[in-house]
Amino acid sequence: GESVGLHLPTLSVQEGDNSIINCAYSNSASDYFIWYKQESGKGPQFIIDIRSNMDKRQGQRVTVLLNKTVKHLSLQIAATQPGDSAVYFCAEKDNDMRFGAGTRLTVKP
Amino acid sequence: DGGITQSPKYLFRKEGQNVTLSCEQNLNHDAMYWYRQDPGQGLRLIYYSQIVNDFQKGDIAEGYSVSREKKESFPLTVTSAQKNPTAFYLCASSAGVRSSPLHFGNGTRLTVT
Repeated sequence: GESVGLHLPTLSVQEGDNSIINCAYSNSASDYFIWYKQESGKGPQFIIDIRSNMDKRQGQRVTVLLNKTVKHLSLQIAATQPGDSAVYFCAEKDNDMRFGAGTRLTVKP
Repeated sequence: DGGITQSPKYLFRKEGQNVTLSCEQNLNHDAMYWYRQDPGQGLRLIYYSQIVNDFQKGDIAEGYSVSREKKESFPLTVTSAQKNPTAFYLCASSAGVRSSPLHFGNGTRLTVT
């Protein structure tokens, strides 16, 4: 079956640096994508979403980029803070929602 | 304060017993979902329901059952047929339209010994 996956399982950045988390998806019919943040022992928290008719969307300190040609999604976090340390998941939504394995982001002070 | 409530947060059961995990939402969402998460892994879909009295199997439905008698509630039963039931279970809901995000509860950690 088709799946959503991530390029890197872990990412370590210095506080204040920018972070980029990547995601590859394989279902070319997917038209809605979401990034979630999950802290230990909690449920995933919505960060930002993007529809397939867009290639970039910005939020507060976060930007999602969508490249449909290569089926690639990325999350950029500006001025990464210790509170950003968590596992980040990309997901694609059809009638249900499929998640990748996640990337653990660690922010070093 | 709208949201999704999962209870209990921690649940312990003996092998061979069925156990039901509760999920309630007051967001007036049509769709509800159950996911399983194992340590260091992503979320795998167990069941989902887009409307009351209807639900569909996800990728790993074997050994689980659900009901959707009310819009607000989507309980998950982990049966004795589930071979590896120990996991973190997450319930979610969404408005049901295609481009609407899922909102998650804070999960139930089930341990079966």
